[in-house]
Amino acid sequence: DAGVIQSPRHEVTEMGQEVTLRCKPISGHDYLFWYRQTMMRGLELLIYFNNNVPIDDSGMPEDRFSAKMPNASFSTLKIQPSEPRDSAVYFCASSLKRDQPQHFGDGTRLSIL
Amino acid sequence: AQSVSQHNHHVILSEAASLELGCNYSYGGTVNLFWYVQYPGQHLQLLLKYFSGDPLVKGIKGFEAEFIKSKFSFNLRKPSVQWSDTAEYFCAVGGTGGFKTIFGAGTRLFVKA
Repeated sequence: DAGVIQSPRHEVTEMGQEVTLRCKPISGHDYLFWYRQTMMRGLELLIYFNNNVPIDDSGMPEDRFSAKMPNASFSTLKIQPSEPRDSAVYFCASSLKRDQPQHFGDGTRLSIL
Repeated sequence: AQSVSQHNHHVILSEAASLELGCNYSYGGTVNLFWYVQYPGQHLQLLLKYFSGDPLVKGIKGFEAEFIKSKFSFNLRKPSVQWSDTAEYFCAVGGTGGFKTIFGAGTRLFVKA
């Protein structure tokens, strides 16, 4: 039973570059969440989708961040242009319903130089 | 607005000591409650959950939590911790009325061997 799959696991790039993070949720899960985790700010919800539709993007820090979910099995989080302060671990999670347990992927450790 | 508060940011215990991590929430409606654990370098995993019924919930690895509705609390306990319990623990609250699941700031537990 495959869990939530994220790619890449690690990304190191220079500031100003475009970064794309990918997520494949668990099949059949209606909800998909993107989180950012840093030492300073802890775990922050960036955006979540229900049936591929963005429901709440109030956690997206700036216009440089965008997320899409073109179909039920794939989502992307894009940062353009990237900045050093975007360095963090980005987690994707999915759940059957909004108030059900969330299943997290292994995360993408992003470093912007 | 709904919120989740974890009382301790850092806890240091010796092996075999008892553990209790506090979690309080603010929400007037019916809630689903969760504890997640994040081992060093890994993703968040569900430790236990409460939806309804017996307010004393038993989870994996000997952990349990008690829901006290009158105190809006859902404290995590373990009678005897092990070095392998060193991790960060997150309390989360989801409203069955539909508000998104909110995570607490996390408590870092370090168990000395």
